Amino acid sequence: AQSVAQPEDQVNVAEGNPLTVKCTYSVSGNPYLFWYVQYPNRGLQFLLKYITGDNLVKGSYGFEAEFNKSQTSFHLKKPSALVSDSALYFCAVRDISSMDSSYKLIFGSGTRLLVRP
Amino acid sequence: GAVVSQHPSWVICKSGTSVKIECRSLDFQATTMFWYRQFPKQSLMLMATSNEGSKATYEQGVEKDKFLINHASLTLSTLTVTSAHPEDSSFYICSARGTANGELFFGEGSRLTVL
Repeated sequence: AQSVAQPEDQVNVAEGNPLTVKCTYSVSGNPYLFWYVQYPNRGLQFLLKYITGDNLVKGSYGFEAEFNKSQTSFHLKKPSALVSDSALYFCAVRDISSMDSSYKLIFGSGTRLLVRP
Repeated sequence: GAVVSQHPSWVICKSGTSVKIECRSLDFQATTMFWYRQFPKQSLMLMATSNEGSKATYEQGVEKDKFLINHASLTLSTLTVTSAHPEDSSFYICSARGTANGELFFGEGSRLTVL
């Protein structure tokens, strides 16, 4: 079964410092991995995805993620955090286990990022 | 980018009434839409997959008679919470599958509060 794990409920960083939000995955076959951000009482906004190709994926708002096959990880990173980055971040994997699941996503539990001024 | 609109954003209703939430793809046709439920401080739980012109596919444990899904056109799917009770209070989010590379686009969510 496909699954993703986000081991940290919350990540705290100071503005200007680099940030990392962790995600590990378990899939059969090649993984399709995604990161989304959610602000309070809002839907999800797409940040980036990994399908194939370069292991370092660049996305929206200065975020990037590194796909590491040997460690089955897809950690989200940003070189310099902003207070406005404070939000809930979800890692997701595409579920390929059922017929019409081509674009059905399985989400991790979410990690709350708090960037302090 | 593609836009998915949900309406209403907020709804408060009395216990026992039914509430309809709409999910519209504004600038693209969506043959498939997904409905999620999110509890406070928790992840998104997929409720059902909605396919245009056919019956929705519900995830295990989701009552199809309780959560009625209709996908009558390529731009509209509706979720109706029937005979709502306080435990149905939640944040409901839809997503629509775009036609180009199948990327998913999410609505802004609808917060339901049942008194």
